[in-house]
Amino acid sequence: EIVMTQSPATLSVSPGERATLSCRASQSVSSNLAWYQQKPGQAPRLLVYGASTRATGFPARFSGSGSGTEFTLTISSLQSEDFAVYYCQQYDSWPLTFGGGTKVEIK
Amino acid sequence: QVQLVESGGGVVQPGGSLRLSCAASGFTFSSYGMHWVRQAPGKGLEWLSFIRYDGTNKYYADSVKGRFTISRDNSKNTLYLQLSGLRAEDTAVYYCAKDLSRYSGSSLDYWGQGTLVTVSS
Repeated sequence: EIVMTQSPATLSVSPGERATLSCRASQSVSSNLAWYQQKPGQAPRLLVYGASTRATGFPARFSGSGSGTEFTLTISSLQSEDFAVYYCQQYDSWPLTFGGGTKVEIK
Repeated sequence: QVQLVESGGGVVQPGGSLRLSCAASGFTFSSYGMHWVRQAPGKGLEWLSFIRYDGTNKYYADSVKGRFTISRDNSKNTLYLQLSGLRAEDTAVYYCAKDLSRYSGSSLDYWGQGTLVTVSS
């Protein structure tokens, strides 16, 4: 099983600042990596797939990068609606696995 | 618009069984793979199971293999998850989700709102 490790667990950021979230895979997943956003009481929403393709409905301030074992989600200028928990997920091999999540909170 | 509506959750005793359903609409259900994912209270996401668009291939997480069974009825646009041998640690919100692709597990592009399963005596 591929283990996905996200860091940091919590990121405190001021509105307007840049946020950088990391996701590491225990073995290469190529570009088979997705990111999800989850707000309290809501289902997760697909944010990025293929490591860098932004899903419908998300603005350009969200960007994903990386391949192999190291991935990054960057939010260039945090807006109030971006404070949430973010999960990465690999779909390179079975079983699919999620990272433990990064909570982005208001500083 | 794509809609996924889960049902069937509730309170069940340890060792008991439950069947979850996920009614799909707004897309050609028979053309896409489908997943179940759960989230224990205050915890992260755990992928559970996938079924190919035609039901011929199924995959499970080790934590539920042999206890949970995924299935689908394309004539009813409905996905199922049969839960048996339930344990306290199975307590969670269970989500169904649509796969971006038909054949192989990929990213999950639409999610339902979830149904809560509580395992307690």
